[in-house]
Amino acid sequence: DGGITQSPKYLFRKEGQNVTLSCEQNLNHDAMYWYRQDPGQGLRLIYYSQIVNDFQKGDIAEGYSVSREKKESFPLTVTSAQKNPTAFYLCASSINFVEVRNTEAFFGQGTRLTVV
Amino acid sequence: KQEVTQIPAALSVPEGENLVLNCSFTDSAIYNLQWFRQDPGKGLTSLLLIQSSQREQTSGRLNASLDKSSGRSTLYIAASQPGDSATYLCAVLNRDDKIIFGKGTRLHILP
Repeated sequence: DGGITQSPKYLFRKEGQNVTLSCEQNLNHDAMYWYRQDPGQGLRLIYYSQIVNDFQKGDIAEGYSVSREKKESFPLTVTSAQKNPTAFYLCASSINFVEVRNTEAFFGQGTRLTVV
Repeated sequence: KQEVTQIPAALSVPEGENLVLNCSFTDSAIYNLQWFRQDPGKGLTSLLLIQSSQREQTSGRLNASLDKSSGRSTLYIAASQPGDSATYLCAVLNRDDKIIFGKGTRLHILP
């Protein structure tokens, strides 16, 4: 099945610890995105990557880091510098050729991170 | 900076009614606009994608329109059903390749 997979579904972290959220896609998409969603809020962009070995900060990148070493993988690390990390994290991917900007973005099922 | 606004924030309607959800955006230089559905605690499911050159898209009971010059889109749901209850999100793909979301409309269809 083609799709985008996030793991784990639920994650608990102690204060002061870093944690890495996994996002894998087998859709052969170039672009990948990480969003954070808080209760009653829309999605806020953390980081995005248009191509392997390249990524850009979104609107709320502080306290997060990413890597894009492989086309199919875009892991997100929530560092201890993130002051309020408890949230629902969503990963997305899309085709992103220069000539083609008319394709859908697909989302994973999310990871709910709780700091305890 | 692109801002996406969705009105209303919440909506309750009796089953069977037709309804319209609204989305507005401040920067009309977009590649496309996409409507999503989100069920509680779940990821997003794509409903409709409208390219910047298009005016509308239809899928079953759903019809989405786009007026790029005025920065507006609507999602029309015909003959609503209890299974349509969810949060509906609109998002635009900017020229800088960011996908920017509105805060969503929580829809409740009353049986």
